[in-house]
Amino acid sequence: QVQLVESGGGVAQPGGSLRLSCAASGFIFSNYAMYWVRQAPGRGLEWVASINLDGSRKYHADSVQGRITISRDNPKNTLYLQMNSLRPEDTATYFCAKEVVVAGNHYFDYWGQGTLVTVSS
Amino acid sequence: IVLTQSPATLSLSPGERATLSCRASQSVSSNLVWYQQKPGQAPRLLIYGASNRATGIPARFSGSGSGTDFTLTISSLEPEDFAVYHCQQRNSGLTFGGGTKVEIK
Repeated sequence: QVQLVESGGGVAQPGGSLRLSCAASGFIFSNYAMYWVRQAPGRGLEWVASINLDGSRKYHADSVQGRITISRDNPKNTLYLQMNSLRPEDTATYFCAKEVVVAGNHYFDYWGQGTLVTVSS
Repeated sequence: IVLTQSPATLSLSPGERATLSCRASQSVSSNLVWYQQKPGQAPRLLIYGASNRATGIPARFSGSGSGTDFTLTISSLEPEDFAVYHCQQRNSGLTFGGGTKVEIK
């Protein structure tokens, strides 16, 4: 069965760094675009970053551009999010998600359970 | 594209009908998705392509609409349906609505 398992969250100081990982199993990882979506406490969902099948194209939300970078290692079936220059407003649960495209419809059919990042001094 | 969900909170009793709205600031064609999220859990796919139920989703959930106005209807609320519902568009970039909480009255 499909599984997405995030890790790497924790407490970081403002200006600090964290690296999140998302271990994928149960599907051919290299066949799917992958995403990071975050949710601040009590708030809605926010797209953070996305990456295409082979990692050659990466997209980041304006709110994280230049500080946070998505990457993937297909042989290791793992998605990453390198988070630098962290700010308090980056505090959120970070989910990885697998995107499916069916008849022109794009949607996330599987999500990880999320990993909490807290940025605080 | 901004997605506006209304109402923010819907207070209903089990067995009642729930009607949730998602309005887009510009047309997203039929590229509208609905997710359900319970506390401490990841979102769960309900509806894609505005009106297609995902695998395993009960028939009491239905989606409709196109362009800028979309509706998620739960025909008769079950206890497990009380949750937060998010809409998402992928027609131009990717954005989510602010969510609608369906709570027990």
